[in-house]
Parts: sequence; C-alpha cells; structure tokens
Amino acid sequence: GQNIDQPTEMTATEGAIVQINCTYQTSGFNGLFWYQQHAGEAPTFLSYNVLDGLEEKGRFSSFLSRSKGYSYLLLKELQMKDSASYLCAVMDSNYQLIWGAGTKLIIKP
Amino acid sequence: EADIYQTPRYLVIGTGKKITLECSQTMGHDKMYWYQQDPGMELHLIHYSYGVNSTEKGDLSSESTVSRIRTEHFPLTLESARPSHTSQYLCASSHGTGEITEAFFGQGTRLTVV
Repeated sequence: GQNIDQPTEMTATEGAIVQINCTYQTSGFNGLFWYQQHAGEAPTFLSYNVLDGLEEKGRFSSFLSRSKGYSYLLLKELQMKDSASYLCAVMDSNYQLIWGAGTKLIIKP
Repeated sequence: EADIYQTPRYLVIGTGKKITLECSQTMGHDKMYWYQQDPGMELHLIHYSYGVNSTEKGDLSSESTVSRIRTEHFPLTLESARPSHTSQYLCASSHGTGEITEAFFGQGTRLTVV
C-alpha cells in the first residue's frame, strides 16, 4: 500500500531551527508537496520538490532524496505564527496526492 | 490569496437530512477535489473532477455524490446525513493537464450530524 510517515508532534523554541521529516512509500512519484495548516483553517502551499536536493524559499527550505523516499522541511528563525500543522503529500503515478497525517509544530517563547 | 470558496463554513444538521456543500473557484482551474479531514488526521480524497462533466470517486468510501456542470462549481451532496459523516470537508482546485501545480484549498465546511 501507499504510506506517508511524519512525526505526530514537535516542539521548538522561538528563534530556533526545526526540521520536520517525511518518509514515503508510494506507487510511483511525481513530486512531493509541503503544506502548512493552522488550526481550523485550510492548508496552504509551502513547497514542491521533484528532483533531489534542497529548495530554499525564505525561512523555509525543503529537501528531497528520491532514492531514500525521504524529505524534510526546515524552518529557520522560528516565529510564534509558525505554530501549525505541516502536511507532507506525495503525487503518485496516477497524479493523485497521498497525504501524511501532518506534524503539529508547537513554538514556545 | 486563493479564490476558492466554500459554504457554509459550519453546519449542524439532523440525521437523515439531505445536504449540499458548495464549492466555487474563480481561477479557471480544471481539476477540483473534495477531501474529508478529521482532527489530527490525514486528508482523505472522496471525489475529484478533471473538468466539466468529469467526476471520479476517491479512495474513501462515501455516500456522497458530486456534479461538475460548470468549471467553477463543484458541489458535494449527502442524500441522507448520518453521525458518521461528522467531519471537516475541504474543497480544492488546481490547474489541469500538462503541468503539476499546487492545489488551492477553500476554508472548509465543518459538518456536525446530530
């Protein structure tokens, strides 16, 4: 079957750096997405990786290793507003998105 | 900001009632999706559409139906609501053929069936 694994919850301190990991096993691969979802709100797009390597976008970076079925989202200079759930999703060979359950990130002052 | 809208935002309804959740987008996207999400859980795809007159069932068994008569409109109907339908329903859209792009989500409808 298809499977996306992420930690359920992480805690970090304001101003610090946090890395959220995602491992996947899917039928084919057409890219990996990261979304941010604040409590009670809709997911919003953060990044898309289809080739191996690091994509940097401001305070957020996303890394992909296709051979290892692994990605991470790196958040730098954490702010209180970064408290949210971070969802990893893989697009499979049928161009369908397979979603992880999300990682709830708690930022402490 | 994404131009995709869902109504109502919140709905409490009795068992056995028929309900329609509305979703509209003004971005001209061909692909539209309905997801169900319980708190702390992953999104489950219940229906999707690749364009007008195209509808497909997703991986989650559901007693709901959808229609796609116009590009911008993708309503979800529950013929007979049950307490097990209590959940958050998210509508999303993305560009169509030839490219892989991100999906834009509506604000969601939180449904409670009593």
